Order: sequence, then C-alpha cells, then structure tokens
Amino acid sequence: GENVGLHLPTLSVQEGDNSIINCAYSNSASDYFIWYKQESGKGPQFIIDIRSNMDKRQGQRVTVLLNKTVKHLSLQIAATQPGDSAVYFCADHYNKFYFGSGTKLNVKP
Amino acid sequence: DVKVTQSSRYLVKRTGEKVFLECVQDMDHENMFWYRQDPGLGLRLIYFSYDVKMKEKGDIPEGYSVSREKKERFSLILESASTNQTSMYLCASSAGLNTEAFFGQGTRLTVV
Repeated sequence: GENVGLHLPTLSVQEGDNSIINCAYSNSASDYFIWYKQESGKGPQFIIDIRSNMDKRQGQRVTVLLNKTVKHLSLQIAATQPGDSAVYFCADHYNKFYFGSGTKLNVKP
Repeated sequence: DVKVTQSSRYLVKRTGEKVFLECVQDMDHENMFWYRQDPGLGLRLIYFSYDVKMKEKGDIPEGYSVSREKKERFSLILESASTNQTSMYLCASSAGLNTEAFFGQGTRLTVV
C-alpha cells in the first residue's frame, strides 16, 4: 500500500508550549490529507484537512503545513493543553485512505 | 450527528471459530472501511467497499473476508480465527474518497 509515516512514535511537551507533529508520504499524486486525533478508547476523529493546492491551513489552535516538494506535512498545535493528549494520525485520502503509524502526544502539566 | 456503530466493544473467541464483526452507518455513505490497529503499526487497511456488493482488498486481507449486502452495513468475517488476529478493529465510512472518514468506537477482539 501507500507509505504514510510519522516521524516520532511519542512526543512529550509541556502544557502551554506549542507541539509539532510530522508526517511523510510517498505518493506524489496524493492530493488530500487529513489529521485525525484518537483519544483513549475511541475511534480517530477529524481535526483538520488540507488539499494539495494549498500549503497551509489553519483551524482553531491547529495549523497544518504541506510541503509537496519533499512530501511532508506537519500538524502544529498552539498552547498545548492536557486535553490534547492523544494519538495523532496523518492520513492520505487520495485512494484507499492510508494512515500513518501515529504519534502519541503526552502533555505534561 | 454522524454515527458509525460497531456491534461489540469487546469480544473473546476461540481459535478456529468463525467471527463476524458488524458495522452500521447512518449517513448514507458510499464508502466503508475495516482497519485493524496494533501497537506501533498504526491503522492498517484490511478491506474497503465503495458500493453495495463491491469490495476491494487493502494491505492485509489474508484471513479476512467482508460482506456488504446493504449500503449501511459492512461486515468483517474471520473465517477461522487465529491468535494473531487478536487486535483492535475499527470500522469507518466516508461520503467519497476525498472526504473525511468517520470511525466507530472499535471492537477489541481477543482470540484464545
């Protein structure tokens, strides 16, 4: 299948700091990406998406950056809160909805 | 509210049993998916369906089959359960390929 990977399995940040979660993909034809958040005991939920005609998209406290040249995207969370603790997945929705392996974000109080 | 419902949260089955995992969505979505989630491996696609009676293999279809007789229901079948199929199984649906996926709560299956 398509290769969608995350750079770090675990990320620990201090409450109030900004978090950056990275993801790489392999299919240069991919044109739609989504970041999902999975809290303990739940299925993944949509956070933010980006299409390949954009390089940046902002939501509430979250920003996704897309670099098509190096096939890389990142999720930035501003002023990280304890409720942001979860596993974050990037997903390539071009074809069969391939997911990366996930980064577990730990927020330290 | 959008809803994807998986029939069981927890299941324990014996090796060799035939196991059915059921998933129902109420959004009239075309696409439905089955994933398994294992520590360190993320979500791996088993099968997906883009229409009633249509199915396509994902990355790890071996040992599994699926059934989609009605648009709202997508079943995952383990023909003869094995211990290496112990995992969390997640069902999802989407309106189209370039749209977000909505997930169920997951079924944690243990095969003993």
